Amino acid sequence: EPEVTQTPSHQVTQMGQEVILRCVPISNHLYFYWYRQILGQKVEFLVSFYNNEISEKSEIFDDQFSVERPDGSNFTLKIRSTKLEDSAMYFCASSVRESGELFFGEGSRLTVL
Amino acid sequence: KQEVTQIPAALSVPEGENLVLNCSFTDSAIYNLQWFRQDPGKGLTSLLLIQSSQREQTSGRLNASLDKSSGRSTLYIAASQPGDSATYLCAVWSRDTGNQFYFGTGTSLTVIP
Repeated sequence: EPEVTQTPSHQVTQMGQEVILRCVPISNHLYFYWYRQILGQKVEFLVSFYNNEISEKSEIFDDQFSVERPDGSNFTLKIRSTKLEDSAMYFCASSVRESGELFFGEGSRLTVL
Repeated sequence: KQEVTQIPAALSVPEGENLVLNCSFTDSAIYNLQWFRQDPGKGLTSLLLIQSSQREQTSGRLNASLDKSSGRSTLYIAASQPGDSATYLCAVWSRDTGNQFYFGTGTSLTVIP
């Protein structure tokens, strides 16, 4: 069964360092998303991406964040200068259509020290 | 902004019991509602998607209903098993409040053998 894959599964970084989280969405999906979940809190929307551009972003997704689809398969989330409060589980998701069924990856746990 | 609430926050039942999980949302103008399962430290697994025009969806022992006018959805699990132990999340897609899924805080279910 097709699935969304994410790497790395866990990353530990020092505050101020740049981090890139990678995702391979399901191959025939057109809409891509990043969500995050701080320990014990709700899953929160960060950004949606369609047709090689951001279609929606939340207040969390400030100038420190960027997304890119550098080739036909990968979808990346970059955090330019990490802060302690960026520590969370980051989930990539994809769907065939806007508002369609979302399929999530296993997540990348980011720990900022 | 869409607010999604799930009650109860935690539920413990003996194996074999039927149970109902509740989800309520503040903005009834939704496109669809999706139920997920999340195991500790893992990603979100899609269980059921209900389109706004539908009243319910069934998959195996799971049945989800949707009442848009009252802003409620329920997830019914029949004949619960220890393997059903997980956190169950509902998420709603609202175009009027941003093209994104809004998540509830989840219900943590423990099925006791």
